Amino acid sequence: DQQVKQNSPSLSVQEGRISILNCDYTNSMFDYFLWYKKYPAEGPTFLISISSIKDKNEDGRFTVFLNKSAKHLSLHIVPSQPGDSAVYFCAASADGDTGGFKTIFGAGTRLFVKA
Amino acid sequence: DTEVTQTPKHLVMGMTNKKSLKCEQHMGHRAMYWYKQKAKKPPELMFVYSYEKLSINESVPSRFSPECPNSSLLNLHLHALQPEDSALYLCASSPSGGMGEQYFGPGTRLTVT
Repeated sequence: DQQVKQNSPSLSVQEGRISILNCDYTNSMFDYFLWYKKYPAEGPTFLISISSIKDKNEDGRFTVFLNKSAKHLSLHIVPSQPGDSAVYFCAASADGDTGGFKTIFGAGTRLFVKA
Repeated sequence: DTEVTQTPKHLVMGMTNKKSLKCEQHMGHRAMYWYKQKAKKPPELMFVYSYEKLSINESVPSRFSPECPNSSLLNLHLHALQPEDSALYLCASSPSGGMGEQYFGPGTRLTVT
């Protein structure tokens, strides 16, 4: 059972427009949410995060929105650039059953930004 | 140094072989992780070491054996693997093992024949 879902496997956007990537989760115990970006042949790199006590966090062109009642978060990239073309993973963290924190990843959305 | 390095980049092994994957970081991070990622799937957590102690084992089969010799190094010992264990194995680290961001290595692409 997937606890973190990214229902769009891919998204294509024109350069300069807004990219919106969506993520849904099922576990209300998640306290912290993160977005990672992954280029081919590289590991995921951290992009932006948000705590469950906030509903918005902004960092330059990247903004993450959290709707706790809907168990939904989204990543907005504006303006989109060709270099943003990558796979974007949504992730959520919670206490593990035996101590420590677990991070659960979604399946990823491949973003294509067309020049 | 803000890198997590992993060796080897690629590994092909038979089902009777014993091999090890290595991971190293010099950022002073006190938590290190192993993830397994199959094609078009999310990274799946395998193990978490926090302050050099195993804190999470996600019911991983015993043919995978993690080891944390010191705070900078993390190994994954492999023995009697199955073809379905073929995947990308990612190592990550974080400052303290909390809920914050993790720093990932490029991964080891493992093929079991």
